[in-house]
Amino acid sequence: GENVEQHPSTLSVQEGDSAVIKCTYSDSASNYFPWYKQELGKRPQLIIDIRSNVGEKKDQRIAVTLNKTAKHFSLHITETQPEDSAVYFCASNMDSNYQLIWGAGTKLIIKP
Amino acid sequence: ETGVTQSPTHLIKTRGQQVTLRCSSQSGHNTVSWYQQALGQGPQFIFQYYREEENGRGNFPPRFSGLQFPNYSSELNVNALELDDSALYLCASSPGWGGENEQYFGPGTRLTVT
Repeated sequence: GENVEQHPSTLSVQEGDSAVIKCTYSDSASNYFPWYKQELGKRPQLIIDIRSNVGEKKDQRIAVTLNKTAKHFSLHITETQPEDSAVYFCASNMDSNYQLIWGAGTKLIIKP
Repeated sequence: ETGVTQSPTHLIKTRGQQVTLRCSSQSGHNTVSWYQQALGQGPQFIFQYYREEENGRGNFPPRFSGLQFPNYSSELNVNALELDDSALYLCASSPGWGGENEQYFGPGTRLTVT
């Protein structure tokens, strides 16, 4: 079936450094790619999304890039801060039954 | 503008019982999607409701069913509970149907089946 693969499963970076999380998708019809941040015991929060008609989108310290040919998209966080520590999920839509397919998540740890 | 709310927060049920979880969508949103999130995993799509009709379904058995009401709030019903149904159940509302609209999540209901 259709799936989204996400890497790495855990990422530890020094405060102030950049973090990059990568996802690949299998459904060539996918056209919407959101990223969610989930802190322990809390709800997933939409932090940024990108649609297939653009290759890059930026919001302050967060950016997402999309390569439709290779079917992969990435989350970039610059100047990381302690409050960036959380689990990050990528997702892509599946056109056939209106669902979002989610990656397995990346636990981001910001070291002081 | 009010956000997505869910009730109850926590629930403990016995195997074989039935459970109903509730979700109020964000103001202005007409679509609700339900997800099951097991510990340490990403959310798994259960189904989506748009204008009171089921609009798409993931790989969940028929004992998972739902409703959406005219005010766009929604219920998730699970019959014949199994131990593996223990999870966080999340609902998300969006301003339109399909998987390409921004989805905003409620705080979830933690279901424990013993």
